[in-house]
Amino acid sequence: AQTVTQSQPEMSVQEAETVTLSCTYDTSESDYYLFWYKQPPSRQMILVIRQEAYKQQNATENRFSVNFQKAAKSFSLKISDSQLGDAAMYFCAYTSGGGADGLTFGKGTHLIIQP
Amino acid sequence: DTEVTQTPKHLVMGMTNKKSLKCEQHMGHRAMYWYKQKAKKPPELMFVYSYEKLSINESVPSRFSPECPNSSLLNLHLHALQPEDSALYLCASSQRAGTDYGYTFGSGTRLTVV
Repeated sequence: AQTVTQSQPEMSVQEAETVTLSCTYDTSESDYYLFWYKQPPSRQMILVIRQEAYKQQNATENRFSVNFQKAAKSFSLKISDSQLGDAAMYFCAYTSGGGADGLTFGKGTHLIIQP
Repeated sequence: DTEVTQTPKHLVMGMTNKKSLKCEQHMGHRAMYWYKQKAKKPPELMFVYSYEKLSINESVPSRFSPECPNSSLLNLHLHALQPEDSALYLCASSQRAGTDYGYTFGSGTRLTVV
């Protein structure tokens, strides 16, 4: 079974600084997708960034980027120029490439932005 | 339309009640999902409905019953629930793997069983 591990229950960063959230996963599949989702107190699960395992290039979306280390099974999220609106619970998630499997989530990291 | 719509947003029900949660999407996604999320925990997959086939997480009790009347609509029927079933129930949909592969979530139904 696939597992996703987030070892940081909580992280705190000053506004405008950079923070990195860690995620490791375990799978025997070669074709899979990794995601970072953000869940603010409003509870809406919002996609932050996506990475296809077959792509070596790290995904980026504006201030958000990932460091995808396939051999090490590591998928960290870097948030640059942190903003107050980034405060939320961040979940790392995995799915196999079969096309319609559900997501397996890590336990989440609560990100606090200090003004 | 790029949304997954869940109704109701809040539901309080007694242990002897029967109620249903509704989830709808009009993005042409062929897979839909129900997740259960307890406070300060990650979502846990309950059901997958993909290409007219239902997959069930075997740990989900039979008092939860999914129904998919068509490819855009996924219901979750609730019967004889227990207080520990109180949680946020999230619906999601996805399209087949590809460059635009992703899961879109609804805003959830906050369920309280009394």
